[in-house]
Amino acid sequence: QQQVKQSPQSLIVQKGGISIINCAYENTAFDYFPWYQQFPGKGPALLIAIRPDVSEKKEGRFTISFNKSAKQFSLHIMDSQPGDSATYFCAAGGSGGGADGLTFGKGTHLIIQP
Amino acid sequence: DGGITQSPKYLFRKEGQNVTLSCEQNLNHDAMYWYRQDPGQGLRLIYYSQIVNDFQKGDIAEGYSVSREKKESFPLTVTSAQKNPTAFYLCASSILGTVNTEAFFGQGTRLTVV
Repeated sequence: QQQVKQSPQSLIVQKGGISIINCAYENTAFDYFPWYQQFPGKGPALLIAIRPDVSEKKEGRFTISFNKSAKQFSLHIMDSQPGDSATYFCAAGGSGGGADGLTFGKGTHLIIQP
Repeated sequence: DGGITQSPKYLFRKEGQNVTLSCEQNLNHDAMYWYRQDPGQGLRLIYYSQIVNDFQKGDIAEGYSVSREKKESFPLTVTSAQKNPTAFYLCASSILGTVNTEAFFGQGTRLTVV
């Protein structure tokens, strides 16, 4: 059972454009929604995270939009740069304070063309 | 520097062999996790541990075993019972509390069956 569905699987965006990646979840017990960035051969690193008590969180060029009623959240990368080319994973964590790990989407391979 | 160290970076296993992947953290985190990453599959949870001498099965624990004899260490053994062990293995750790916090990942071990 796939509890976090991520789309698209791959995405090509021109430099300076907006990259948008979407995720949907099923389990209403999730209360933590992070996005991770992974470069080839490296471990994922936290990019930005949101909790369900807010609908949007912005950090620099990265914004998470969260729709609790639709059980969806998305990552927007403004002014996309070639250095943003990476694989992005959305994830969801339960209300156990991190005790039982995160459930990840399948990832989006993002390419920013110069 | 604080962080998570995984070793080796590359590992080759012959059919029928058990191999052990090392994971050490100096972040003083209580929780540690092992994930498996396959192309297009995201990260899937193998085992997790909240305290020393205790661990729980994740979604794909069959063919794997772990131990947690020290807070800093959480080695993963890939046994001969794991029929398709070729993958990228990621270890992570996090603080345990009432809410989820960032999970920090190591740089991964790429295991190949030869």
